[in-house]
Amino acid sequence: KNQVEQSPQSLIILEGKNCTLQCNYTVSPFSNLRWYKQDTGRGPVSLTIMTFSENTKSNGRYTATLDADTKQSSLHITASQLSDSASYICVVPGGSYKLSFGAGTTVTVRA
Amino acid sequence: EAQVTQNPRYLITVTGKKLTVTCSQNMNHEYMSWYRQDPGLGLRQIYYSMNVEVTDKGDVPEGYKVSRKEKRNFPLILESPSPNQTSLYFCASTQGAGFSGGDGYTFGSGTRLTVV
Repeated sequence: KNQVEQSPQSLIILEGKNCTLQCNYTVSPFSNLRWYKQDTGRGPVSLTIMTFSENTKSNGRYTATLDADTKQSSLHITASQLSDSASYICVVPGGSYKLSFGAGTTVTVRA
Repeated sequence: EAQVTQNPRYLITVTGKKLTVTCSQNMNHEYMSWYRQDPGLGLRQIYYSMNVEVTDKGDVPEGYKVSRKEKRNFPLILESPSPNQTSLYFCASTQGAGFSGGDGYTFGSGTRLTVV
């Protein structure tokens, strides 16, 4: 069964600090991995899409890494801001037009 | 502006009273899907549609119906809502149904449904 597991479930960081979120997946066949940011009560918004051949991809202060051999991805947030407070969801497409979603990591940035 | 529009944003209804949540996209996307999101469970797929008149069940289709008569619209129908369908619902669309490329997946703003 295709699965996507994220850790930690939640974390609290001080404004200006860095943090790293983890995503492990068992989806097969693998084509790409996506990170989404979801503000409370809003729809998820795409941060990055990483294909099989990409190891690192940045979007401003967000940097995603992918290790297709170990089936792991991370999302690193640099110099966090209050606006980074959100849930971050790892998504991996599976077969048959399905997407496998992680449960998300809730990040709280405090001043 | 390219977007997926859901209505209503909030809905409180009583058990058994039929309701429809509308979803419309203006990007000419072929693929549309409905998800529900519950605390600690992440997003779970209810139904999806690969094109007009082509729909299929997702992981949690029980108690829901959909239709795709036009490319832009994909309504979610609850014929007889029950309290366990209280949830946050999202509609989404993408052009690349196979998800193999770099196509993004655009989500609506969500519909918070409460069934009492």
